[in-house]
Amino acid sequence: TQLLEQSPQFLSIQEGENLTVYCNSSSVFSSLQWYRQEPGEGPVLLVTVVTGGEVKKLKRLTFQFGDARKDSSLHITAAQPGDTGLYLCAGGDIHRDDKIIFGKGTRLHILP
Amino acid sequence: EAQVTQNPRYLITVTGKKLTVTCSQNMNHEYMSWYRQDPGLGLRQIYYSMNVEVTDKGDVPEGYKVSRKEKRNFPLILESPSPNQTSLYFCASSLQGRTGGNSPLHFGNGTRLTVT
Repeated sequence: TQLLEQSPQFLSIQEGENLTVYCNSSSVFSSLQWYRQEPGEGPVLLVTVVTGGEVKKLKRLTFQFGDARKDSSLHITAAQPGDTGLYLCAGGDIHRDDKIIFGKGTRLHILP
Repeated sequence: EAQVTQNPRYLITVTGKKLTVTCSQNMNHEYMSWYRQDPGLGLRQIYYSMNVEVTDKGDVPEGYKVSRKEKRNFPLILESPSPNQTSLYFCASSLQGRTGGNSPLHFGNGTRLTVT
């Protein structure tokens, strides 16, 4: 069974600081998605990465897919209170193209 | 507006009383899925459907039923709810069930279920 481990589980930092959260596995994934979930809402897709080594930027957020497609990172520059939320990574199961596997999430709190 | 709509948002019920949580999407998506989200356990898939009249078990299907009679609707049925089904439930849909960049999941806003 493919698993995705996210770290850290919780992160609380001051506004303006930079941070990186990680999504790791010993398995290869066909693609990897990052979602953000805010209280009282469902997860919302931020980005999908497909190619090993791929880097995508979304304003102050930078997403990277590992060369071997086993891990990913999300870097936030100059964090703002609006970045607060639960960040979930989700990988496409390489053995079953109808399966997506979720990590347990990183809960991020940005203090004003 | 493209969306996945779940109802109700909150539900408190008693053990054994059958209930249905509805889910509807207006994006003509083929794929629909139900998840439950519990602290420390993350999102776990209950059932999914690749298209009309096609449903399959996810990782935690016990105690749940689903149906897919129409493309837009995918209700979740708990025939005899138990306290261990207390959870936050999400319905999601995507254009196709195949994973990859062209089929991101669109989630509803969740149904918080409490079974006493």
